[in-house]
Amino acid sequence: DTEVTQTPKHLVMGMTNKKSLKCEQHMGHRAMYWYKQKAKKPPELMFVYSYEKLSINESVPSRFSPECPNSSLLNLHLHALQPEDSALYLCASSRRTSGVNNEQFFGPGTRLTVL
Amino acid sequence: GQQLNQSPQSMFIQEGEDVSMNCTSSSIFNTWLWYKQDPGEGPVLLIALYKAGELTSNGRLTAQFGITRKDSFLNISASIPSDVGIYFCAGLVVSANDMRFGAGTRLTVKP
Repeated sequence: DTEVTQTPKHLVMGMTNKKSLKCEQHMGHRAMYWYKQKAKKPPELMFVYSYEKLSINESVPSRFSPECPNSSLLNLHLHALQPEDSALYLCASSRRTSGVNNEQFFGPGTRLTVL
Repeated sequence: GQQLNQSPQSMFIQEGEDVSMNCTSSSIFNTWLWYKQDPGEGPVLLIALYKAGELTSNGRLTAQFGITRKDSFLNISASIPSDVGIYFCAGLVVSANDMRFGAGTRLTVKP
């Protein structure tokens, strides 16, 4: 099973709303990632979790709050977002964050629209 | 930081034609990856390359890890309409959080 699942598929929210994006993998991977992707651009790294601990935060605004409840789950909590935060949010996982044979597998993404 | 130069930016080809795209960098990578992304979906891993000089095939796709470790190419033979999408190269140093993406090649296949 090389599948990473994400919910919801689409999300529309106002600037005062609080919502969460969810990601799950059952490949036994110990590294999980959040990316943001704007149209016609490559994914941009936001956060990296290694063994359920946050290891990388690429200077992401605090209105994005990641959480890793266990080795299979990754959440992204959203609060007071801006319209420019509208994008495709991708979750990915890999065996670890270092070493060989460490390719990342992506989920289908959540299309977020902030009104 | 490491920058990946992916070319061409876009391609318009006839069904049945072969396609070639490549990525170059001024820095060395330990792993080269090729992904395909359909509109509104996440990138799907096509081929992973781990050793300099490695040539790997996946059906009609063939990719190579350049000898200098600074480049990689992807070939698609006998293209079909479902090959349409954006192809991204990605280079990995030892740490996976150091993965860098190319800007993507948008492929259009005319039936």
